[in-house]
Amino acid sequence: DTGVSQNPRHKITKRGQNVTFRCDPISEHNRLYWYRQTLGQGPEFLTYFQNEAQLEKSRLLSDRFSAERPKGSFSTLEIQRTEQGDSAMYLCASSSDFSQQYFGPGTRLTVT
Amino acid sequence: AQSVTQLDSHVSVSEGTPVLLRCNYSSSYSPSLFWYVQHPNKGLQLLLKYTSAATLVKGINGFEAEFKKSETSFHLTKPSAHMSDAAEYFCVVPGGANNLFFGTGTRLTVIP
Repeated sequence: DTGVSQNPRHKITKRGQNVTFRCDPISEHNRLYWYRQTLGQGPEFLTYFQNEAQLEKSRLLSDRFSAERPKGSFSTLEIQRTEQGDSAMYLCASSSDFSQQYFGPGTRLTVT
Repeated sequence: AQSVTQLDSHVSVSEGTPVLLRCNYSSSYSPSLFWYVQHPNKGLQLLLKYTSAATLVKGINGFEAEFKKSETSFHLTKPSAHMSDAAEYFCVVPGGANNLFFGTGTRLTVIP
């Protein structure tokens, strides 16, 4: 399967802990996106990479959030000092052009 | 500024009857419009996209949508619903040069 993969699929953590999620995009895609989806809402854009460069960040991406894509391949999203409001599905997508983004299955984060 | 209004949060149809999911949009960016589908425990999948070519766009699984600029609408239709169509559907516009802006979604239920 050459789709977008995300790990872990589920993460339960206690408030105040740090968490890190990984996204492996489709190998030939140079664009990578992170979105967040809360219950009953559509996904909201967090950040965008072209190759290893982080070119765009949403205002939703507070100082506690950091994303990297060190070699232009996989990406990580870290949340420091998690809060209950961070509970959501975190989605990764990749594409070779803007008009068609391929989404992974997501990582569901629950902060207790 | 961009906005997407999905006029129905939940649509219920009987198997074999037509499907209509309504979407009105506003976007400052390129006139691209998308419909994505999200099945439970699966990643978001692109159903179809409009990129200023033909106003009637055909997508996967028998779905199509018509771009109506005068009405700022991009409604999704299918002549005959199948049980496997039950899912969450999102109308999407460009949120910027490098991201997507999702509507709040319409949950489609198909009754056998």
